[in-house]
Amino acid sequence: GESVGLHLPTLSVQEGDNSIINCAYSNSASDYFIWYKQESGKGPQFIIDIRSNMDKRQGQRVTVLLNKTVKHLSLQIAATQPGDSAVYFCAEGMNRDDKIIFGKGTRLHILP
Amino acid sequence: DTGVSQDPRHKITKRGQNVTFRCDPISEHNRLYWYRQTLGQGPEFLTYFQNEAQLEKSRLLSDRFSAERPKGSFSTLEIQRTEQGDSAMYLCASSLDGTSIHEQYFGPGTRLTVT
Repeated sequence: GESVGLHLPTLSVQEGDNSIINCAYSNSASDYFIWYKQESGKGPQFIIDIRSNMDKRQGQRVTVLLNKTVKHLSLQIAATQPGDSAVYFCAEGMNRDDKIIFGKGTRLHILP
Repeated sequence: DTGVSQDPRHKITKRGQNVTFRCDPISEHNRLYWYRQTLGQGPEFLTYFQNEAQLEKSRLLSDRFSAERPKGSFSTLEIQRTEQGDSAMYLCASSLDGTSIHEQYFGPGTRLTVT
């Protein structure tokens, strides 16, 4: 079946360094991919999305890269801050219904 | 605060009891989604509405689960004869169909514990 997964369950990064969170997906028919951030006790929060016909998209301090050849998605966070501590999920969706399939998540831990 | 609210935030119930959760989406959003999330996992899609019409239900949604959105605004999710395996966080999200942004706005969730 369809699946969206992550390589690492936990990532520890020094404050101020850049973070790279990776994701593998299996459904080549997905129309877009999304990164969500979830802080403890809260619902997921949209960070950035990328259409399947793009390979890079930049937001504020974040960049998402899509490599369709190897079905790989990554989220780069520049100058990681304590407020970036959270679980990050990649997800994929289809235009026809916007139903999102989430992966298992990576916990980002910021070291002082 | 995303503008999506859920009530209650926490619910503890005994096995076999019925529970009902409510979701109030962002007012102009015509799509509403329900997800279930267990510890350490990503949210799993349960069902979604376009206005008042329920368009898709996951096979995760057994016959004990029912969702409604009677006037195309708020939605309720009812679980009948709860089982311990129903313990999870139930998340609601809303979005506006027809935009180029695929952003779903999530509520804070209702955490259900079945004892």
